[in-house]
Amino acid sequence: KQEVTQIPAALSVPEGENLVLNCSFTDSAIYNLQWFRQDPGKGLTSLLLIQSSQREQTSGRLNASLDKSSGRSTLYIAASQPGDSATYLCAVRPSTSYGKLTFGQGTILTVHP
Amino acid sequence: EADIYQTPRYLVIGTGKKITLECSQTMGHDKMYWYQQDPGMELHLIHYSYGVNSTEKGDLSSESTVSRIRTEHFPLTLESARPSHTSQYLCASSRDRGGAEAFFGQGTRLTVV
Repeated sequence: KQEVTQIPAALSVPEGENLVLNCSFTDSAIYNLQWFRQDPGKGLTSLLLIQSSQREQTSGRLNASLDKSSGRSTLYIAASQPGDSATYLCAVRPSTSYGKLTFGQGTILTVHP
Repeated sequence: EADIYQTPRYLVIGTGKKITLECSQTMGHDKMYWYQQDPGMELHLIHYSYGVNSTEKGDLSSESTVSRIRTEHFPLTLESARPSHTSQYLCASSRDRGGAEAFFGQGTRLTVV
């Protein structure tokens, strides 16, 4: 059974810092990995999608990397802003099981001015 | 911007009532999912569908039921609501191919009193 772990559980940083969020998964047979952002009481917003054949994806200040063989992904946020404060979730889609995502517990990020 | 919609956003209802949570998407996605999320906790898959007339139970046991009569519509029904059903319910959809990025609705926060 796939298990997804995110470290750290919570992170508080001053504005302007670069930071890294970590995601690890136990089964490397994945189709893709997706990073989401969730604001309190809201749904999930897709940030980046990395296919199993890719090593990284970039969108603005966000960069996600994938090392499938070691079961790890990182989300790098450059020049953090207070508006980045949210919960960040990592989810993996297995290469089998018809697309059911398995989520980590999330990292709660607080960026203070 | 994802074209997936959930209604209502918030619902407070008495014990024993029947409720239906609506989810619609306009992206033509075959796959749709329902997740349950308690405050501060991870997401758990409760139902999924691969297409019209196809529904399966997810990893977390749920007393709710779903139907998929039209591609764009995936409602979730609770025949008799109980306080233990109080939670946030999130609907998602994805394409079968082409990256299979998942998109989420804004969620329905259900409170059963």
